[in-house]
Amino acid sequence: GENVEQHPSTLSVQEGDSAVIKCTYSDSASNYFPWYKQELGKRPQLIIDIRSNVGEKKDQRIAVTLNKTAKHFSLHITETQPEDSAVYFCAASISGGGNKLTFGTGTQLKVEL
Amino acid sequence: DADVTQTPRNRITKTGKRIMLECSQTKGHDRMYWYRQDPGLGLRLIYYSFDVKDINKGEISDGYSVSRQAQAKFSLSLESAIPNQTALYFCATSDPPLVDEQFFGPGTRLTVL
Repeated sequence: GENVEQHPSTLSVQEGDSAVIKCTYSDSASNYFPWYKQELGKRPQLIIDIRSNVGEKKDQRIAVTLNKTAKHFSLHITETQPEDSAVYFCAASISGGGNKLTFGTGTQLKVEL
Repeated sequence: DADVTQTPRNRITKTGKRIMLECSQTKGHDRMYWYRQDPGLGLRLIYYSFDVKDINKGEISDGYSVSRQAQAKFSLSLESAIPNQTALYFCATSDPPLVDEQFFGPGTRLTVL
């Protein structure tokens, strides 16, 4: 089955700096890669996703890049703000193939003032 | 997302007890999922259902069972709870191919003593 590895497990940045979280996946058939943000005590919520026919996607301060050949994808957050502090999860699935998500183990992002 | 609800939100029980966690959704989605979240391990899939007649095991189904009573309801049961089932449990829904995003419920924090 699919295996998703996520690094780093914790990340501390100064407000205004950029943050990058990286994930690798094992199943070359995976074609849908969402990123979820989970604030303390709350449910995971989708912040951005990318499909395998696209190399990069951007939404305001958030961007995701995908390298299918290397089987890795990354989340980039620019101009970080304190409200970006949360746990971020990457995931991979085969769209239409059960839509089962395999999650990474999460990255605790802390944005310091 | 208020469209996906879980009951109870918190539960403390004893080893050997039978426990049922319930999930309801008003999104009209066919697919429903149960995940378990443990610190440092991310979210792991327990069971998933494509519709009322289709139930599938996830990566960690041992010790759990599910029931899909209707399109809108998906219950998770622990037949004989054990302490290592102490975790945060999330229900989620999706509606591929139109919507690959999974929408999570608020979670149930289960403690088995």
